[in-house]
Amino acid sequence: ETGVTQTPRHLVMGMTNKKSLKCEQHLGHNAMYWYKQSAKKPLELMFVYNFKEQTENNSVPSRFSPECPNSSHLFLHLHTLQPEDSALYLCASSQANDWGETQYFGPGTRLLVL
Amino acid sequence: AQSVTQPDIHITVSEGASLELRCNYSYGATPYLFWYVQSPGQGLQLLLKYFSGDTLVQGIKGFEAEFKRSQSSFNLRKPSVHWSDAAEYFCAVGEGAQKLVFGQGTRLTINP
Repeated sequence: ETGVTQTPRHLVMGMTNKKSLKCEQHLGHNAMYWYKQSAKKPLELMFVYNFKEQTENNSVPSRFSPECPNSSHLFLHLHTLQPEDSALYLCASSQANDWGETQYFGPGTRLLVL
Repeated sequence: AQSVTQPDIHITVSEGASLELRCNYSYGATPYLFWYVQSPGQGLQLLLKYFSGDTLVQGIKGFEAEFKRSQSSFNLRKPSVHWSDAAEYFCAVGEGAQKLVFGQGTRLTINP
């Protein structure tokens, strides 16, 4: 595997379900991100982790719970979601504090909440 | 707070024609500026970025962008588009490289 991978690629869940999204980066980076991409809305930054520590929470509802066990893996735990949470969830990684730091994105998980 | 405006939601150009996608930003200091491209079903791929220095930036796939501080703009250009350039293009601005604010995106359609 190369780059940033995300699983599953597609997910359908009911509002009472609990599910998790997984992201893995194979680039040796030390920063990871979750973004939400909804139809007709700009890409929204949700969380940032640097060296496994959360450094940014962009006022995300608590029904989204991130976890970063190490610099290569990032999870987004989902519970009691709402239909308006249906979106494409993108993960990204970067090498923090590098000159020219650039975020590299995964292909995303398409989530549908029924 | 910083913001990004991409005035054109959808642009159609003919294959071989030149392209310019507009991006205007609002930010107090010198921003970090990025252009990303997203093909259907894919994540975002970086085309180019501006941090400092030469205001004309070259990117991948023949794209370039020019930072104009006086106009708060960072427009993306390509002299001759190919059918494979059809995608959605996003401009982003950040006070650093981590806290990015993205524009709404411009969807590019190529006519054969």
